[in-house]
Amino acid sequence: GAVVSQHPSRVICKSGTSVKIECRSLDFQATTMFWYRQFPKQSLMLMATSNEGSKATYEQGVEKDKFLINHASLTLSTLTVTSAHPEDSSFYICSARVPVTWTYNEQFFGPGTRLTVL
Amino acid sequence: GENVEQHPSTLSVQEGDSAVIKCTYSDSASNYFPWYKQELGKGPQLIIDIRSNVGEKKDQRIAVTLNKTAKHFSLHITETQPEDSAVYFCAASMRLSDGATNKLIFGTGTLLAVQP
Repeated sequence: GAVVSQHPSRVICKSGTSVKIECRSLDFQATTMFWYRQFPKQSLMLMATSNEGSKATYEQGVEKDKFLINHASLTLSTLTVTSAHPEDSSFYICSARVPVTWTYNEQFFGPGTRLTVL
Repeated sequence: GENVEQHPSTLSVQEGDSAVIKCTYSDSASNYFPWYKQELGKGPQLIIDIRSNVGEKKDQRIAVTLNKTAKHFSLHITETQPEDSAVYFCAASMRLSDGATNKLIFGTGTLLAVQP
């Protein structure tokens, strides 16, 4: 149980285009999902917390108009990188928090999406 | 703000030896401490976690210890194998402003290399 998928696994796009990344919890309902960004040889940096049915909470320094997050259902959250630029190239990873009735606070991560902006 | 320090940044051991990775956290309200293993090009995988009401937890070759007073927690891997080679991240929970959701603050990672 507690499987999280991401799609696509890799994407290459031209500068100025928008890219959508999907995160799905496959065998549980996740009221809360998290989006992280990871640069090479660095740690995971939390970008935003996504709660189903409400607006995402962004970390300081993350542009909410550039990184659009939608959590329309209990199993799906999407991250859209708008007007992507080369500096947005990174490894984007989502995680989903298991229901409180299971255990408290556990997060399971997706396999990540490698974004390359040319 | 909340900070998690992790040491060492790299660790090389011989197969069969033990490996220890240490983390310290700053927020005394943190109550959940997971450890993740990340292989190259993949997402982090939860390998063990510990809650603040427990001092030690063990799962086969992996164990985690927590010292709440000192705000330290450590990962111990015994009888290391080449397949244990990866980057390991510790994390500490931090309560969000809604009072119900916890986010994780990650350490900087430890690259573990197990030499056959």
